[in-house]
Amino acid sequence: DAGVIQSPRHEVTEMGQEVTLRCKPISGHNSLFWYRQTMMRGLELLIYFNNNVPIDDSGMPEDRFSAKMPNASFSTLKIQPSEPRDSAVYFCASSSGQWRLYTFGSGTRLTVV
Amino acid sequence: GQQVMQIPQYQHVQEGEDFTTYCNSSTTLSNIQWYKQRPGGHPVFLIQLVKSGEVKKQKRLTFQFGEAKKNSSLHITATQTTDVGTYFCAGGGYDYKLSFGAGTTVTVRA
Repeated sequence: DAGVIQSPRHEVTEMGQEVTLRCKPISGHNSLFWYRQTMMRGLELLIYFNNNVPIDDSGMPEDRFSAKMPNASFSTLKIQPSEPRDSAVYFCASSSGQWRLYTFGSGTRLTVV
Repeated sequence: GQQVMQIPQYQHVQEGEDFTTYCNSSTTLSNIQWYKQRPGGHPVFLIQLVKSGEVKKQKRLTFQFGEAKKNSSLHITATQTTDVGTYFCAGGGYDYKLSFGAGTTVTVRA
């Protein structure tokens, strides 16, 4: 199994531009999570899906952030417009089963200049 | 939902020494998991504890789940440079998600 696959690994964009981060969860995992990690705030849960349905998006910072999961094998996190304070590492994780053992992707390091 | 507090935030250890990191939850947990994130990497699952008072070992790492299922600890003996990284505990409630602690970042002096 290739694990959770995220793309791109690195993204540098100018303030005001739209950014789309992508995630392919492990096949068979029915829960998917988007996290943001910064030095100041640590790991923050942004949103999670169960069976492709958004369950809790209370961690999404503001309306500039949106996430979709059109099918069991793909999810996107979009920021429009991006701002320098959005610079962080964004992780996608997937899990399944009763105990929800998480597998994280390698992350996307986003820099907004 | 539950909140998970983790201390210390930083641990500077002399190579060969032991240290412990602690995790406390405001509510009873269904399980607790530990993850390790190497510098520049992503969190990787280490272990899960489910039963009250459970103790598990992985080589030099000893994980413990409290009797009330509200706290946990990770003890590392004879620290090595390979132990460098951030260790997260994550508490499971009875929904789909884990609550991650802030992590303990470990540095090792050779």
